[in-house]
Amino acid sequence: DTEVTQTPKHLVMGMTNKKSLKCEQHMGHRAMYWYKQKAKKPPELMFVYSYEKLSINESVPSRFSPECPNSSLLNLHLHALQPEDSALYLCASSQAINSGGAVGGYNEQFFGPGTRLTVL
Amino acid sequence: GQQLNQSPQSMFIQEGEDVSMNCTSSSIFNTWLWYKQDPGEGPVLLIALYKAGELTSNGRLTAQFGITRKDSFLNISASIPSDVGIYFCAGPSGNKLVFGAGTILRVKS
Repeated sequence: DTEVTQTPKHLVMGMTNKKSLKCEQHMGHRAMYWYKQKAKKPPELMFVYSYEKLSINESVPSRFSPECPNSSLLNLHLHALQPEDSALYLCASSQAINSGGAVGGYNEQFFGPGTRLTVL
Repeated sequence: GQQLNQSPQSMFIQEGEDVSMNCTSSSIFNTWLWYKQDPGEGPVLLIALYKAGELTSNGRLTAQFGITRKDSFLNISASIPSDVGIYFCAGPSGNKLVFGAGTILRVKS
């Protein structure tokens, strides 16, 4: 199984709502990522989890709250979002975080299909 | 931080033509990745390159890891309508991936 799944596919929410995005992988990967992507732009890294611990937070506003319940699951909790937060949210996974210049697969990130989020 | 310069920004070509795009950096990379993203979907990994000078094929796709380790090329032969999409190059920078700005490919049938 080489697939990363994400739910929901589409989400429309108001600025006062609380919602969650979910991501799952069964490749035995120990690193998982959240990205935000605007139209026709490359993905922007938000969070990195390594062995279920938060490793990188790219100065993301606190209205985005990540959670990694186990090695296969990654959630992104949303609260009090702004219209400018509307974007495609992508989850990705890789074997592990690349530290020390390792090659041969550590850097290969596999992406899910994304959740198209619209904030009204 | 490291940056990747990807060109061309967009291409509009005839079906059946060959396509070439490239990515350059001022810094050395030890891995080059090429992704394709269809509208409304996540990026899909096409080819991964690990050694300077390496040439790797995946069907009609061929990618090369530049000998200086500062560039990479992706070629698509005999383009078809489903090649439409955005192609991103990417390389590792510490624990992160750095992405190029993307090449938008449009194919006229």
